[in-house]
Amino acid sequence: QVQLVQSGAEVKKPGASVKVSCKASGYTFTSYYMHWVRQAPGQGLEWMGIINPSGGSTSYAQKFQGRVTMTRDTSTSTVYMELSSLRSEDTAVYYCARVKQLAQVKDAFDIWGQGTMVTVSS
Amino acid sequence: DIQMTQSPSTLSASVGDRVTITCRASQSISSWLAWYQQKPGKAPKLLIYKASSLESGVPSRFSGSGSGTEFTLTISSLQPDDFATYYCQQYNSYRTFGPGTKVDIK
Repeated sequence: QVQLVQSGAEVKKPGASVKVSCKASGYTFTSYYMHWVRQAPGQGLEWMGIINPSGGSTSYAQKFQGRVTMTRDTSTSTVYMELSSLRSEDTAVYYCARVKQLAQVKDAFDIWGQGTMVTVSS
Repeated sequence: DIQMTQSPSTLSASVGDRVTITCRASQSISSWLAWYQQKPGKAPKLLIYKASSLESGVPSRFSGSGSGTEFTLTISSLQPDDFATYYCQQYNSYRTFGPGTKVDIK
């Protein structure tokens, strides 16, 4: 079945970086755009950016420009999200999410990873 | 950037009630709007896409309408499994989520 499996929880110190992985299975990895969304404790959903697993092109929310890097490894069907210069406000659950339709940029997210908790604390 | 608002922020309702949630965009997004349901500790679940298309496997008591800047999600007869938080999302330009509407038990 189609699924996205994310890496485990992380605890980081302020100023450090974190890299979260999202392994796709059950479909053609390079055919569907992937997004990253985060959710701080008790808060709403915040979009971070999109990656095209085929060519690797990315687009990031302005808020995260310069601090986030999204990459992919087609050999393992895995996308990665690395966030640098972490601060306490980055404490959140980070989700990867796949678009619903093949090769569609403008599309809703039908498949979500289980989420990865990232805690930033000194 | 496109801003999204939702109303109400919290809604108290009973099983069997008809429930309507409103979502507004700061500029026209045509029909590029989705609705998600989220339960505590779980990832969001897609309910509606392209403003009014029902996602496969989602009960028909859920419906969406609207275009341009104003959208609604309606639950025709609230069921116990529907108590959750609902988010709208625009995907016309970049992506933006609304702040959410929590539906709880009256």
